[in-house]
Amino acid sequence: DARVTQTPRHKVTEMGQEVTMRCQPILGHNTVFWYRQTMMQGLELLAYFRNRAPLDDSGMPKDRFSAEMPDATLATLKIQPSEPRDSAVYFCASGLVPQGAYEQYFGPGTRLTVT
Amino acid sequence: GENVEQHPSTLSVQEGDSAVIKCTYSDSASNYFPWYKQELGKRPQLIIDIRSNVGEKKDQRIAVTLNKTAKHFSLHITETQPEDSAVYFCAASRGSSASKIIFGSGTRLSIRP
Repeated sequence: DARVTQTPRHKVTEMGQEVTMRCQPILGHNTVFWYRQTMMQGLELLAYFRNRAPLDDSGMPKDRFSAEMPDATLATLKIQPSEPRDSAVYFCASGLVPQGAYEQYFGPGTRLTVT
Repeated sequence: GENVEQHPSTLSVQEGDSAVIKCTYSDSASNYFPWYKQELGKRPQLIIDIRSNVGEKKDQRIAVTLNKTAKHFSLHITETQPEDSAVYFCAASRGSSASKIIFGSGTRLSIRP
């Protein structure tokens, strides 16, 4: 049963520190999404990639957030410097377009707490 | 831009009764409408989806309906059970190779025993 994996599952850091979250999409999937979930904002799309190329990162605060796909098996989301308002659960999701009919499979999430 | 509105934000029903969650979308080019279920502390999981060429789709106790003219779609859960308690998200997408999925704000469904 192939699944999206994310590391770390939990991260507590102090304000100003760099945070890197990692995602391994399902093998063979060509689309990767990064979402942020808070109680107030629900599921916010931060960025997404198709065949490792960024298609849309308009949801991401550009001054501190960056997303990359160094290779087809790894996506990263980096926050530098982190702030308390970044505290949230960050989900990665992957899919196969067009064959996969645009379904997205979510990872378990990284719960980030910035103090 | 694309917007998806979801109602109600919370819903409590008696076990065995039906639950209905409604969503509207703004982009008339949307043609793919998935529904996700998220249990407490877990990841969102796709439970059912519908495309614009279909008006209704059923899978056991859950069904989705789509009205493209009115730009709204709904999730129906019949004979609700305690394990149906979760947050449900609707979403909409153009379904093209470059499109993204826009999520509604979620509905917290509670099933009363």
